[in-house]
Amino acid sequence: EIVLTQSPGTLSLSPGERATLSCRASQSVTNNYLAWYQQKPGQAPRLLIYGASSRATGIPDRFSGSGSGTDFTLIISGLEPEDFAAYYCQQYGSSPLTFGGGTKVEIK
Amino acid sequence: QITLKESGPTLVKPTQTLTLTCTFSGFSLSTSGVGVGWIRQPPGKALEWVAIIYSNDDKRYSPSLRSRLTITKDTSRNQVVLTMTNMDPVDTATYYCAQRMVAQPVMPFTYWGQGTLVTVSS
Repeated sequence: EIVLTQSPGTLSLSPGERATLSCRASQSVTNNYLAWYQQKPGQAPRLLIYGASSRATGIPDRFSGSGSGTDFTLIISGLEPEDFAAYYCQQYGSSPLTFGGGTKVEIK
Repeated sequence: QITLKESGPTLVKPTQTLTLTCTFSGFSLSTSGVGVGWIRQPPGKALEWVAIIYSNDDKRYSPSLRSRLTITKDTSRNQVVLTMTNMDPVDTATYYCAQRMVAQPVMPFTYWGQGTLVTVSS
């Protein structure tokens, strides 16, 4: 089973700032099948990034994903008020599918 | 337009069996490469993958829950059913169903239901 470790647990930033979220895998993620989701309180997760770096339909270009193998990063280039939320990474290249523990991006 | 919706009891007693139904529209589970899975989230905690079933009837389960789970599909009714036996208070969570594709491109869970909160308490 691939364990995903996200850091930091909480990120306190101001609107307009750049957010850098990390997701580290315990072993190489097959074909870099790594996704990022955004989740707001009381809502279902929303797919942001798939294949480590491809934006899902309708996702603004301030969201970008990078990385390969075991180290992946989600960058939000300039935080908008609606971006303050929890973010989860997920690997979907091998079974069992696994999620990271999440990073909460909060307003400083 | 793809939609999914979870239904089932909101409260179950310890040791009881939970049955959840995911009813979907906008796609068919008879189409090659389609999967519908379940993901849960205890209050204030992270997402946890539970199970998934594919159009070819391939079924996969979380190793930590496998002995308690059964996932089935009813293609004609556009439904996926998850049963979890021997429920415990630690199983209290919001349960989501979600759709993914494993035909090229291989996709993660792209469409999600709104979730249903299941509380386990006597």
